[in-house]
Amino acid sequence: KAGVTQTPRYLIKTRGQQVTLSCSPISGHRSVSWYQQTPGQGLQFLFEYFSETQRNKGNFPGRFSGRQFSNSRSEMNVSTLELGDSALYLCASRYQRGTGELFFGEGSRLTVL
Amino acid sequence: GESVGLHLPTLSVQEGDNSIINCAYSNSASDYFIWYKQESGKGPQFIIDIRSNMDKRQGQRVTVLLNKTVKHLSLQIAATQPGDSAVYFCAESPDNYGQNFVFGPGTRLSVLP
Repeated sequence: KAGVTQTPRYLIKTRGQQVTLSCSPISGHRSVSWYQQTPGQGLQFLFEYFSETQRNKGNFPGRFSGRQFSNSRSEMNVSTLELGDSALYLCASRYQRGTGELFFGEGSRLTVL
Repeated sequence: GESVGLHLPTLSVQEGDNSIINCAYSNSASDYFIWYKQESGKGPQFIIDIRSNMDKRQGQRVTVLLNKTVKHLSLQIAATQPGDSAVYFCAESPDNYGQNFVFGPGTRLSVLP
C-alpha cells in the first residue's frame, strides 16, 4: 500500500509570493492533516480536513489555507510568504478521526528568501 | 527532518540497554496521548498511544506510562537497537477524536554501539 505522498519535496520562494503544496493520502484514508515543523517551534498543527470539510484549525494566520478534494487529496496554500514561513510542511492521513495513528508523508521543505 | 530540533535534549544509551524518554504535557484536560518517532529526513511515525483511562500500555518492545497526577508521560524502549536512533515526540489531544494534537519539543535518542 503506497504511503502518504507530498509534492514538491523541496521548493524555494521569495517573500511576498504564494505557494501551494499537495498531499495524496493513503488509499482509503479520508482525514488529512497538515503540520508545520521548524527547529524553533517544533511540530505545530495547521488544520485537518475530513470529507472535504475543514474540521479543525490551529493557530495560524489566514494566509494559511487548505482544501480537500473528493478523492481525499489535499492542498495547502500559503499566501504572501514571509521569511518565518520557512519550514518543513508535513501532511498526515488517517483512516478515521478517532485514532491518533497518523501516517505522515516525508514533507515539503519550503525555503523563503 | 534533518533540521528538526537543533538543540533538543539528547538521551544517549548503549545498544542493548533500556531507554526511558520522558514527556511533561501541559493540558490537564488532555484525554489522548501518542508517541511518535522521527528519523532523519522522514516524517514522524506512530509508535504507541494511550488514553487517559489507562496508566500503562505495552507494545512490541515499547511501554508507555501515563501519570495524570503530575502530567507526565514516558516511553520505555526495551533492548535499544541502532535503528531506534531518532527524535521522539509525545503528543496530546484534548479529546478522544485525536483533534488538534499538540506535540512536545522532542527528545533525540542516540544509540551507542
